Amino acid sequence: ETGVTQSPTHLIKTRGQQVTLRCSSQSGHNTVSWYQQALGQGPQFIFQYYREEENGRGNFPPRFSGLQFPNYSSELNVNALELDDSALYLCASSALAGGTDTQYFGPGTRLTVL
Amino acid sequence: QKEVEQDPGPLSVPEGAIVSLNCTYSNSAFQYFMWYRQYSRKGPELLMYTYSSGNKEDGRFTAQVDKSSKYISLFIRDSQPSDSATYLCAIFDRGSTLGRLYFGRGTQLTVWP
Repeated sequence: ETGVTQSPTHLIKTRGQQVTLRCSSQSGHNTVSWYQQALGQGPQFIFQYYREEENGRGNFPPRFSGLQFPNYSSELNVNALELDDSALYLCASSALAGGTDTQYFGPGTRLTVL
Repeated sequence: QKEVEQDPGPLSVPEGAIVSLNCTYSNSAFQYFMWYRQYSRKGPELLMYTYSSGNKEDGRFTAQVDKSSKYISLFIRDSQPSDSATYLCAIFDRGSTLGRLYFGRGTQLTVWP
């Protein structure tokens, strides 16, 4: 198992609500990337954080936002939830300074929007 | 055109069979190719990491990249029931970020005893 942890494990929300997902990166890793994995699909890149700044974004609307903290942990916030936001949300950490770009994934947070 | 395409299967084989999983990709500039394994309701775990063309072997697993045809493969020898999972091919793109992954949609593999 990787050292990447995510909370909560499962979450049920209703359409229009807001949600915050959390990720603790593996020790020594300074970069966090978030992915959305819909059922039966591969993960899709949402955005990446490095040194507390967003450093690249996929094709997701602004209601998807994030934060990275000085200890490299991260949050993903989604406003105005839609039914299509139901998915597994994955956090991946990597160690740019260490010279390896391998991204290690956490177990994910399964979000259901009703 | 999607960056990487993968046949979702499902694929069902008997124990001991050789499994071949394949993906194609669109951008000839891609250099880093990965295979991840994902068990049900878990996050993806990295299996193999290949740079540029050629083969890489790790135990029963062999990853192969053919850049001329933009084709990537994963072979599993002597498959075991514990290999039953979804296998995701991925391409690491440095691009304008520090590096992001493009995933195929995954192939669901079942190895039956």
